[in-house]
Amino acid sequence: GQNIDQPTEMTATEGAIVQINCTYQTSGFNGLFWYQQHAGEAPTFLSYNVLDGLEEKGRFSSFLSRSKGYSYLLLKELQMKDSASYLCAVKDSGAGSYQLTFGKGTKLSVIP
Amino acid sequence: NAGVTQTPKFRILKIGQSMTLQCTQDMNHNYMYWYRQDPGMGLKLIYYSVGAGITDKGEVPNGYNVSRSTTEDFPLRLELAAPSQTSVYFCASSLLLADEQYFGPGTRLTVT
Repeated sequence: GQNIDQPTEMTATEGAIVQINCTYQTSGFNGLFWYQQHAGEAPTFLSYNVLDGLEEKGRFSSFLSRSKGYSYLLLKELQMKDSASYLCAVKDSGAGSYQLTFGKGTKLSVIP
Repeated sequence: NAGVTQTPKFRILKIGQSMTLQCTQDMNHNYMYWYRQDPGMGLKLIYYSVGAGITDKGEVPNGYNVSRSTTEDFPLRLELAAPSQTSVYFCASSLLLADEQYFGPGTRLTVT
């Protein structure tokens, strides 16, 4: 089984930087995804980390530490359109097949 | 490419009724998934398929059935709808198993 923890809600100011943390416990870690989901819409892929370190994609970066069971998503130069839920998902290879387990998501509100 | 499409967008069912949620993808992905998302909760995997003719249960399969007769289509069947099945249902597909997933727009189902 897996346990994934993320903060429920966060608020940040337009133009600022925000870090959304995700901690997990899993027996067969095989990678971690971040998805963005605007209210009433489908999730969309943001990033994938399988090795330790930082992956940067424009204003968004994602970090992974496998030994600590920890990841974060860093959003820079926040814009109003970044108001959304951010879902952390862990890929696990238990019982010979791959499963993807989602956290409950972090609702980010960007204020002027 | 339309990506992943789902119909209907909204539906209200009475307790005990049945319905089929349709899902089609045009990306030639072998892997397809059905999730449900309840308020404040993460995406829960209902069923998934690794190719035409092959399906398997996810975390919350009770009350649902699936079939996969073609690569493109992966319908989800609800038999004897119950209020506990009120949720938003997302279909997704991926090139590799439990890899980056492309989600459909969702079906909002209410059972009363």
